[in-house]
Amino acid sequence: DGGITQSPKYLFRKEGQNVTLSCEQNLNHDAMYWYRQDPGQGLRLIYYSQIVNDFQKGDIAEGYSVSREKKESFPLTVTSAQKNPTAFYLCASSPRTQGGTEAFFGQGTRLTVV
Amino acid sequence: GESVGLHLPTLSVQEGDNSIINCAYSNSASDYFIWYKQESGKGPQFIIDIRSNMDKRQGQRVTVLLNKTVKHLSLQIAATQPGDSAVYFCAATNFGNEKLTFGTGTRLTIIP
Repeated sequence: DGGITQSPKYLFRKEGQNVTLSCEQNLNHDAMYWYRQDPGQGLRLIYYSQIVNDFQKGDIAEGYSVSREKKESFPLTVTSAQKNPTAFYLCASSPRTQGGTEAFFGQGTRLTVV
Repeated sequence: GESVGLHLPTLSVQEGDNSIINCAYSNSASDYFIWYKQESGKGPQFIIDIRSNMDKRQGQRVTVLLNKTVKHLSLQIAATQPGDSAVYFCAATNFGNEKLTFGTGTRLTIIP
């Protein structure tokens, strides 16, 4: 089955530690995205990548880092510099066709800092 | 930049009735719009989309209306069912811009 997979579903981190969230897609999509969602809020864009080895900051990139070494993978690292990392993180991908197209989402990773 | 907002954070509808969720966007260059449904603890799921060269598009029990003059779109769900209870987001983008801008979401509750 084609899709986008995020792991783990739940993640706990101690303050001061970096943690990496995994996102893998087998849809052959060029573009991938990371969003953050806080309770009762919309989705805010952290980083996005349109092609391998290239990525751009979104609206709330501070305290986060990404890499795009392979087309199918776009891991997100939440660093200790992120002041309020507890949130629901969503990864998405899209095929980048002309005129815009929908983004397909993973099931999310809920990160809790303890 | 684009900003997208929904008119009501919550909406309750009797089962079997129709529901309408409204959304406003700010960027007149936006030309592609999507409605997503998000159930608790899950990622958003695509419901329906519409491009700016259309003002109406219908799916199964859902209809999206786009009014470019006032930069407004709506999602109509007909004959609501308990499974329609979720948070609904609208999103907007424009040609050449890879970023989808999301609204804050409307929580729809279907009352049995």
